[in-house]
Amino acid sequence: GIQVEQSPPDLILQEGANSTLRCNFSDSVNNLQWFHQNPWGQLINLFYIPSGTKQNGRLSATTVATERYSLLYISSSQTTDSGVYFCAVVGGWGKLQFGAGTQVVVTP
Amino acid sequence: DAGVTQSPTHLIKTRGQQVTLRCSPKSGHDTVSWYQQALGQGPQFIFQYYEEEERQRGNFPDRFSGHQFPNYSSELNVNALLLGDSALYLCASSRDREAFFGQGTRLTVV
Repeated sequence: GIQVEQSPPDLILQEGANSTLRCNFSDSVNNLQWFHQNPWGQLINLFYIPSGTKQNGRLSATTVATERYSLLYISSSQTTDSGVYFCAVVGGWGKLQFGAGTQVVVTP
Repeated sequence: DAGVTQSPTHLIKTRGQQVTLRCSPKSGHDTVSWYQQALGQGPQFIFQYYEEEERQRGNFPDRFSGHQFPNYSSELNVNALLLGDSALYLCASSRDREAFFGQGTRLTVV
């Protein structure tokens, strides 16, 4: 199956800092999703992005499908951005293959 | 519009018992998938239901089974519980690919 690797595994930021999270995948994919998992375990949809760039407030994502990677940008980070960020490649019939996640801690 | 809802939110079971978890999909969604998330790991695909049938399955033993009802809601059943089945169980619903998740059921096996 497709391998999905996320980096870095952990990230500590001071409030107001910018950061970039990376997701590499081993084969061509139909689509890709980014999620934020809050401390209660809920996976919140951030982006559904097969290619190109999308922006939503302080977050943006870029997927370069031909080079098999996606980036998630967090700008002007806030303490509420803390949590685990997952990318997941979308396979046949929408099956998701997740990476191991990036644990983000934003300190005041 | 209600999102994906799961019940119960927490559950404690004894080794060897059986458990049933429930999921109601987002309105308009017809596909339900189940994932298991162990502590510190990404979610792993268990299986997917569409038109009341299991359409695809991940690498999980037959102790894990499921069902989808005509209203698209779904159940996940786990028999002969093992300590290693302790995890967060996530349900996702979709239509045309983008998946949305419920809040999960945290199962503890003692």
